[in-house]
Amino acid sequence: DAGITQSPRYKITETGRQVTLMCHQTWSHSYMFWYRQDLGHGLRLIYYSAAADITDKGEVPDGYVVSRSKTENFPLTLESATRSQTSVYFCASSPGQGEAFFGQGTRLTVV
Amino acid sequence: DAKTTQPNSMESNEEEPVHLPCNHSTISGTDYIHWYRQLPSQGPEYVIHGLTSNVNNRMASLAIAEDRKSSTLILHRATLRDAAVYYCILSRGGSNYKLTFGKGTLLTVNP
Repeated sequence: DAGITQSPRYKITETGRQVTLMCHQTWSHSYMFWYRQDLGHGLRLIYYSAAADITDKGEVPDGYVVSRSKTENFPLTLESATRSQTSVYFCASSPGQGEAFFGQGTRLTVV
Repeated sequence: DAKTTQPNSMESNEEEPVHLPCNHSTISGTDYIHWYRQLPSQGPEYVIHGLTSNVNNRMASLAIAEDRKSSTLILHRATLRDAAVYYCILSRGGSNYKLTFGKGTLLTVNP
């Protein structure tokens, strides 16, 4: 199916564990983004990517790592999860200066 | 990056037009103006975008001031489904395209 898919939709993990959130898009969009949204707050940009093998830091990159070896995938890794990383994470893709498409979100709880 | 300023909240009545303002006095010549909205418990959704000229699509209209220092998102007939947080975002033209969200405007639609 065409679209942008995030997995898992829900994840509970323990402090200190490594967690990877997956994002897959089927349009071959050049640009991909990761955001976090904490309860009652707006979206904050974590990392973004202009193309395969090109990534850049956003507003809140500390504690996160990304890679983009293939155009369609943009995984986000929390190397050592902390409670402050409990949040809803959104992935998005876009062809450029136009419509960006957002995934359904991953709700991550760090206990 | 250029900043945008939006009212924290606005209220409208169903089936009436809604004008959502956005100030971006430090906009540069290559910045695009984007509008997204986020319905409760959902990911953001593209509404409209433009550069210099007014734009219309099936969802809304975007009116851009002649000096580009402000813009207005127009919902022609508000419905209850339009109740959401509306974000006005500037993105730099060229390869450094990214979407950085501010706090947005919470739109309440009264029946």
